Amino acid sequence: EIVLTQSPATLSLSPGERATLSCRASQSISGNYFAWFQQKPGQAPRLLIFDASNRATGIPDRFSGSGSGTDFILTISRLEPEDVAVYFCQQYGDSPRTFGQGTKVEV
Amino acid sequence: QVQLVQSGAEVKEPGASVKVSCKASGYIFNTYAIHWVRQAPGQRLEWMAWINAGNGNTKYSQKLQGRVTVTSDTSASTAYLELSGLRSEDTAVYYCARGNLPNDHWGQGTLVTVSS
Repeated sequence: EIVLTQSPATLSLSPGERATLSCRASQSISGNYFAWFQQKPGQAPRLLIFDASNRATGIPDRFSGSGSGTDFILTISRLEPEDVAVYFCQQYGDSPRTFGQGTKVEV
Repeated sequence: QVQLVQSGAEVKEPGASVKVSCKASGYIFNTYAIHWVRQAPGQRLEWMAWINAGNGNTKYSQKLQGRVTVTSDTSASTAYLELSGLRSEDTAVYYCARGNLPNDHWGQGTLVTVSS
């Protein structure tokens, strides 16, 4: 199965700063079937980005995704206090679907 | 709006079985797959199984094959996850999630605790 490795484990930034989160896959993701989720404590994951670079419905444009093959990036252009959460990546191009271990963003 | 509402928390003894439900609303149930994903304390999310709500086809994680069964009732717009032979390491929050490709909507999660 494809292993997804996220970095860094924790990101501490100030409001208004730019956050860059990375996810590396152990092999190329077919079809760029790659997603990013946000999860706040006690809540279900929320889809942010799908197909590597497409924002899900209702997601603010300060969230953007890029990358292809084995390396993917989630960028939060201007951090807001409400962005405090764990962000994790997922690939759905290969079975089984697999997830990264998460990056905790502190603001 | 799309909603997935799961059944409540469960406490089970080792060796028992648990069945979690996921009731869908706000869309045509049999046009999307339902995936089941779990999150054990301090662990990454783990994909467990998938059911095509239209034709009932299923696929299971190799790790859980033989212990997990997913079913659906299209008349009730509800999917079910059953896990048997429970062990302490099955203690987790279990989520259902809609998605033929990306998992775009998730249930609120069901905590299953396995303890004697």
